[in-house]
Parts: sequence; structure tokens; C-alpha cells
Amino acid sequence: EPEVTQTPSHQVTQMGQEVILRCVPISNHLYFYWYRQILGQKVEFLVSFYNNEISEKSEIFDDQFSVERPDGSNFTLKIRSTKLEDSAMYFCASSEVAGGDNEQFFGPGTRLTVL
Amino acid sequence: GENVEQHPSTLSVQEGDSAVIKCTYSDSASNYFPWYKQELGKGPQLIIDIRSNVGEKKDQRIAVTLNKTAKHFSLHITETQPEDSAVYFCAASDGGFKTIFGAGTRLFVKA
Repeated sequence: EPEVTQTPSHQVTQMGQEVILRCVPISNHLYFYWYRQILGQKVEFLVSFYNNEISEKSEIFDDQFSVERPDGSNFTLKIRSTKLEDSAMYFCASSEVAGGDNEQFFGPGTRLTVL
Repeated sequence: GENVEQHPSTLSVQEGDSAVIKCTYSDSASNYFPWYKQELGKGPQLIIDIRSNVGEKKDQRIAVTLNKTAKHFSLHITETQPEDSAVYFCAASDGGFKTIFGAGTRLFVKA
């Protein structure tokens, strides 16, 4: 069964450093998403991406965040200058059909720890 | 913006009993309500969903009900099994790209 994969599973970084989280969505999916989950809290929408541009973003997704689809398979989330409060689990998701009213398939997540 | 409240935060049941998790939403434009199960170390996985034109949906031991007037929807799991133990999230979407999640319910099923 096709699945969304994410690398690395755990990333430890120093405050102020840049990190890139990587995702490989399901191959025939065209809509991509990033979510984050601070430990013990709810899953929060960050951004959605389609046709090489952001389709929607939340207030969390400020100028320090960016997303990119550098090739036909990868989808990345870059955090330019990490802060302690960026420590969280980051989930990538993809869907075949547009819109939050269709099934999204989630990856296993990357745990980001900012020291 | 949309806000989704979920209760309880923790639920412990005996194997074979039923479990009910309740959510409310604030945005009347929301029209899609998925439920996700998150097992330890994994991402959320869709287990059932309901759209606003339907009041109830059932899939084997899992059912979801929706009351649009009250902006309330619930997940019902019958004949619970130890493998049902996980964190369950409700969510809401207005058909745009953003999905708003509840805070989650940690379900423990005791054998």
C-alpha cells in the first residue's frame, strides 16, 4: 500500500539554525500539506501546497517557514532560524483530490528538537 | 476562524464496552468532519468521516453522528478491543485546504 514517508525521523538542532524536513508524498497525489504537533497538544495546520504554490497557510506559517517541491517526488519544509518553540512533531500529508474535505494521508512525522 | 473542542481528553474503558468521544465546532461553514486515529510513533490515520448532508455513518464497530444545528459530532466505538487503544482526533473543514483538529482523546481499552 502506498504511503507518505518523511526523513529524518528525528532532528536535533541548535536555536538559530536552519532545518529542512523532507517528505515523499504518495506518487499520484497532487496536494500536499504540513502540520505540526507540539508534544501533547493538537495537530495544527501549517500550509497546503498545490501546483508549485501555497494554496493556504495558517498564522503559524510566518516568514521563517517556506515550502518547496524541488523535484517530482520530494516536498520540503524549511525553517530558516529555529526557535525553542519550534520543537514539535511535524507531519507531512498528501491527498489525491483538492480540499480539506477529502482524505489526507499522513506520514509518520519528524520530531524536531531545538536546543 | 474555526475552533474544534474535543472531550474527554482521556477515556478508559473495559474491553467489550463502548467508547464515545464528542466534539463541537464553531464555524457553520464547516461541512466535512473526519476522525483520525494516531498510534504511538505514527501519523494520524483517517478511520471514518462524515459530510454535512448526512446525520450518521457507520463502518463496522465505528459510527459517527453529526448534529449540524448544535454544531456537534461524535465518534462511537462499540465492542472495544485492546488494539483500539490510541489517540483519537476529530477535525473539521469547510472544504478549503485547512483542516482544524481537536485536542485529541487518549483512549485506553483494558483487557
